[in-house]
Amino acid sequence: AQSVAQPEDQVNVAEGNPLTVKCTYSVSGNPYLFWYVQYPNRGLQFLLKYITGDNLVKGSYGFEAEFNKSQTSFHLKKPSALVSDSALYFCAVRDFSGFNRDDKIIFGKGTRLHILP
Amino acid sequence: KAGVTQTPRYLIKTRGQQVTLSCSPISGHRSVSWYQQTPGQGLQFLFEYFSETQRNKGNFPGRFSGRQFSNSRSEMNVSTLELGDSALYLCASSQSEGVLNEQFFGPGTRLTVL
Repeated sequence: AQSVAQPEDQVNVAEGNPLTVKCTYSVSGNPYLFWYVQYPNRGLQFLLKYITGDNLVKGSYGFEAEFNKSQTSFHLKKPSALVSDSALYFCAVRDFSGFNRDDKIIFGKGTRLHILP
Repeated sequence: KAGVTQTPRYLIKTRGQQVTLSCSPISGHRSVSWYQQTPGQGLQFLFEYFSETQRNKGNFPGRFSGRQFSNSRSEMNVSTLELGDSALYLCASSQSEGVLNEQFFGPGTRLTVL
């Protein structure tokens, strides 16, 4: 069964500094990985996804994530944080086992990102 | 293009009652998924519908059910409500089947069970 972990409940970063939100996963097949963001009083928004190909994936709002198969990680990064990046971030994984119709998407518990002005 | 809409936005029910939540996907989207979000459990997948058929189901009891209509609108029903069902219920739509496609989420329905 697949699982995903976000080891940090909260991350604090000063505005202008680089940020990293960590995500590790466990799957039996090939992982499909996603990052979503939830702003206060707004629905979840898709940021980026990794299906196959280049390990560095670029997404919305200047975010990017690096797929690392050996470390089973998919950390979210941004070179220079903005106060408006403060939100709740979710990593998600789907174990693509080909013909397994029971492969569901699993979300991490979320990491609250605080960007300090 | 209008986004995903969910009604009602807020609901207060008592234990033992049942509730029906509604979701209208983005026009042209045929896949609808439902999620439960709670502070303790995070975001958990409930089920996915495509072309009026349930394609996938999470690990929730049979009290949680859903359906999709021919216009892709979806409803979720929870019977015999329990206190632990208090949560934000999110609906997401995508153009085609499968959660590999980018999902667009609605604002959610906040259910409080007293």
